[in-house]
Amino acid sequence: GQSLEQPSEVTAVEGAIVQINCTYQTSGFYGLSWYQQHDGGAPTFLSYNALDGLEETGRFSSFLSRSDSYGYLLLQELQMKDSASYFCAVNNQGGKLIFGQGTELSVKP
Amino acid sequence: DADVTQTPRNRITKTGKRIMLECSQTKGHDRMYWYRQDPGLGLRLIYYSFDVKDINKGEISDGYSVSRQAQAKFSLSLESAIPNQTALYFCATSDLTGRGTQYFGPGTRLLVL
Repeated sequence: GQSLEQPSEVTAVEGAIVQINCTYQTSGFYGLSWYQQHDGGAPTFLSYNALDGLEETGRFSSFLSRSDSYGYLLLQELQMKDSASYFCAVNNQGGKLIFGQGTELSVKP
Repeated sequence: DADVTQTPRNRITKTGKRIMLECSQTKGHDRMYWYRQDPGLGLRLIYYSFDVKDINKGEISDGYSVSRQAQAKFSLSLESAIPNQTALYFCATSDLTGRGTQYFGPGTRLLVL
């Protein structure tokens, strides 16, 4: 079968750094994406890793290890507005995504 | 104006009714997708279309059908709605690069009584 595992909840304080892990088991793999969703709104794209290593976009970074079927999203200098759900998603057929169940991040003052 | 729009935004219907959810996009993308989201279950793919003549089932297509009327329009139908189809429905688009970037509409909240 195909599955993605990520923690259901993470809590951190404002200004801190938090890492959200994602492990996957899928029949095909082109890359790993991360999406952010606020309160049932439209998911928005954050980052994409097709190759091993770290991708940095401002305060957000994403890492991939294909050999370990593992990736993570790193959020630095946390702000209250970062409180949201974060989804990892495997691109397993040239654009078709399989989503994890999401991690709800709560940022406390 | 939003690049991906969905109508209606909210809908309440009764068991057994036929309902159509519509999606339009102005991004010029060939690929379009329909997902449903249930609490704690993330986004699950219902149907996807890589061009106007291409329609494919996703992981949970039973009870649903779709129509790709044009490059910009992709509709999802529930032929006979049932209560466990109560969910948040999202339409999304992507380009041909095959990267993991999809652009989502604002969603439709559907309640089946």
